[in-house]
Amino acid sequence: GAVVSQHPSRVICKSGTSVKIECRSLDFQATTMFWYRQFPKQSLMLMATSNEGSKATYEQGVEKDKFLINHASLTLSTLTVTSAHPEDSSFYICSARSHRVGIQGYTFGSGTRLTVV
Amino acid sequence: QQQVKQSPQSLIVQKGGISIINCAYENTAFDYFPWYQQFPGKGPALLIAIRPDVSEKKEGRFTISFNKSAKQFSLHIMDSQPGDSATYFCAATSLKSSGDKLTFGTGTRLAVRP
Repeated sequence: GAVVSQHPSRVICKSGTSVKIECRSLDFQATTMFWYRQFPKQSLMLMATSNEGSKATYEQGVEKDKFLINHASLTLSTLTVTSAHPEDSSFYICSARSHRVGIQGYTFGSGTRLTVV
Repeated sequence: QQQVKQSPQSLIVQKGGISIINCAYENTAFDYFPWYQQFPGKGPALLIAIRPDVSEKKEGRFTISFNKSAKQFSLHIMDSQPGDSATYFCAATSLKSSGDKLTFGTGTRLAVRP
């Protein structure tokens, strides 16, 4: 089946630094990738949608200059949290969609636990 | 219009019992309704999904019931096991529209007692 690899699984960084999270579709080409943020005991909150080769579309209230998304190839998308602050600490999850995979085309990564100290 | 309402928020079931989680949606353009299972510290994994042209879909111990006129769908877990203890999310989207982003329910924390 479709597999999405997300790295790192955990990261601790200092306030003011930047962190990059990678999301790779291993056995299919992801025409669309979604980035979510999840707080403890809450649902997934969509941050942005990106299509290969084009700029990401951010949801209302998400700072595009803080959460940089790059989807340069059909198998790789990255989320960079710039100038991280403790309030950015959260669980970040990517999801890849391929219109060629069909109805089960939403595949999620295993998530990244970001802690900003 | 984009909301998916999910209930209950939490559920405790004895081993061997039936777990039932309900979701309701408003957007009639939605045409794909998946259920996801999430364990702590992991990403969601697709459990089962249904399209609106059928009223029920069964895969092993998991069944989705779909009521198009009421705009409701539910997940039934038969013979619930302690290993089923997780958070379950319903979701919905329109595969025909551009963007096709998933709208998630608020989640149900299921605990199956041995």
